[in-house]
Amino acid sequence: DTEVTQTPKHLVMGMTNKKSLKCEQHMGHRAMYWYKQKAKKPPELMFVYSYEKLSINESVPSRFSPECPNSSLLNLHLHALQPEDSALYLCASSQFGLAGASNTGELFFGEGSRLTVL
Amino acid sequence: QKEVEQNSGPLSVPEGAIASLNCTYSDRGSQSFFWYRQYSGKSPELIMFIYSNGDKEDGRFTAQLNKASQYVSLLIRDSQPSDSATYLCAVRNRDDKIIFGKGTRLHILP
Repeated sequence: DTEVTQTPKHLVMGMTNKKSLKCEQHMGHRAMYWYKQKAKKPPELMFVYSYEKLSINESVPSRFSPECPNSSLLNLHLHALQPEDSALYLCASSQFGLAGASNTGELFFGEGSRLTVL
Repeated sequence: QKEVEQNSGPLSVPEGAIASLNCTYSDRGSQSFFWYRQYSGKSPELIMFIYSNGDKEDGRFTAQLNKASQYVSLLIRDSQPSDSATYLCAVRNRDDKIIFGKGTRLHILP
């Protein structure tokens, strides 16, 4: 059973809508990640939060806005998306923050939020 | 050159045989290496991780790392139909980014 919980599992939105994806973990992990995965493609890194601070932004368009309210929660706010943004959005966590002395970087994924933009 | 490369397959292996999956990476400063299994429509599931040269075994799975050759492999012994999935190689590079290869589709033939 995954200990990273993502909601909603499915989301359909129009290009003018504002919506949010949510992710929660209670494993005490200090790094949290957003990945985007399109069909038959590998996950692509979007953002990384380490110790609740945005550490990596892979030049993601501003219509995607991440937020980390606390060490257990990660949000992805969506606004003015395009149909090509339709994908599976995966949240993951790892035990230590980036550049931690013991960080092996194992990612534990949630089940994903499947987004369709009409 | 892509940062993490895998043969996309499909790789077809008879049930009970050994499946061998390979991965190469470009960043010599990479620190940790992972194999994930992903069933269609599901999220990736961690199978193995390795960060020292050599072999690491866990049940039917063995990960092998050769940093000099920048090569990682996964062996699956006694392959089962339930092993049919896409296997993603992932690498944590020197920038602390975990980058995935495009995955190898494995099909175990009953």
